[in-house]
Amino acid sequence: AQSVTQPDIHITVSEGASLELRCNYSYGATPYLFWYVQSPGQGLQLLLKYFSGDTLVQGIKGFEAEFKRSQSSFNLRKPSVHWSDAAEYFCAVGFSGSARQLTFGSGTQLTVLP
Amino acid sequence: DADVTQTPRNRITKTGKRIMLECSQTKGHDRMYWYRQDPGLGLRLIYYSFDVKDINKGEISDGYSVSRQAQAKFSLSLESAIPNQTALYFCATSELTSGRQETQYFGPGTRLLVL
Repeated sequence: AQSVTQPDIHITVSEGASLELRCNYSYGATPYLFWYVQSPGQGLQLLLKYFSGDTLVQGIKGFEAEFKRSQSSFNLRKPSVHWSDAAEYFCAVGFSGSARQLTFGSGTQLTVLP
Repeated sequence: DADVTQTPRNRITKTGKRIMLECSQTKGHDRMYWYRQDPGLGLRLIYYSFDVKDINKGEISDGYSVSRQAQAKFSLSLESAIPNQTALYFCATSELTSGRQETQYFGPGTRLLVL
């Protein structure tokens, strides 16, 4: 069965520092990859997505992610974190032929220190 | 106005009560989904529907039922609520593009507490 792992439950960074959130998946098929962000009391907002093509994708709010097939990873990055980025981040994976269902990671909680 | 709305946003109920959570969308999407979120578990799929006449069970459908009243409306029911159904519930919508690509868009969530 497909699975998604976000190995970091909680990450703390200082404002202005760079950020990388890890996401790994396991399955043999071609994946569709997503990052969502959930701010306190809010729903899930789509940050970016990858279906095919350029493996480095740009998203909203200055985020980017890189798909590395050899590592089965889709890590999220931001060069300079803002206090408003404090939230929970979810990686999700879908697969061609099974696009009806996304498998979500357990989330990474980001704390930003002033 | 939000594209995907959920009502109520918060609900407290008692064990054994029947409760319905409602989802409406103005995105014109055919596909709709219900998920529940529990701390440390991410989101898990309860039910999904590809059109008005199509209903499918997800990963954790036991204890839940759904109704797709129209393209824009998808309701989730708990026939007899139990405390371990306390969770945050999300509705999502999507459409399948000609390239068979699909992106899900989420509502704001309904926080349910079963006492």
